[in-house]
Amino acid sequence: DTEVTQTPKHLVMGMTNKKSLKCEQHMGHRAMYWYKQKAKKPPELMFVYSYEKLSINESVPSRFSPECPNSSLLNLHLHALQPEDSALYLCASSQSWSSYNSPLHFGNGTRLTVT
Amino acid sequence: LAKTTQPISMDSYEGQEVNITCSHNNIATNDYITWYQQFPSQGPRFIIQGYKTKVTNEVASLFIPADRKSSTLSLPRVSLSDTAVYYCLVGRNRDDKIIFGKGTRLHILP
Repeated sequence: DTEVTQTPKHLVMGMTNKKSLKCEQHMGHRAMYWYKQKAKKPPELMFVYSYEKLSINESVPSRFSPECPNSSLLNLHLHALQPEDSALYLCASSQSWSSYNSPLHFGNGTRLTVT
Repeated sequence: LAKTTQPISMDSYEGQEVNITCSHNNIATNDYITWYQQFPSQGPRFIIQGYKTKVTNEVASLFIPADRKSSTLSLPRVSLSDTAVYYCLVGRNRDDKIIFGKGTRLHILP
């Protein structure tokens, strides 16, 4: 079990669908992250939120739209995805973005398949 | 980011001690060294973090020499369940981003 909860665990969607990935943490962390991971590759950073404000967008295509409604929740809205977007999407949190020794706490991810 | 170099893969046997070394020649003064473990289809899990000398917890030890240009993750008496990918992360890159390197794929044999 992890302290970062991601739903759903698995998602299959067509290229014209709109879906959302959800992430929740109750550790009082103020930084939250989205990473994307392809098979046998390391996680790749997509977005960083610090105090509910978007701090980093790693030039992610606009078909991925993050949202941080409050300090405990992080969403990733998906629209018009491509098959190559199929991957494991990982959410993480840390105490603070500005702290250099604040480790990341990851959820177990959403396995996304785009058909 | 202090670029890190780790072995791509390692094999060991159950009951052995496993040491995975990470090189980070350009580590900055503010940088901490953090290790994560990842099992298939799960998110990375924080194992241990250190700044200098030696750190030990219930899972692993982390050895950091005085020059801090490398670090060694030590896993005592490994079991089959320690088969995973281990990532060494050091600080952030110049854009202030936490970036994962390629990691070390550890395979424990019976």
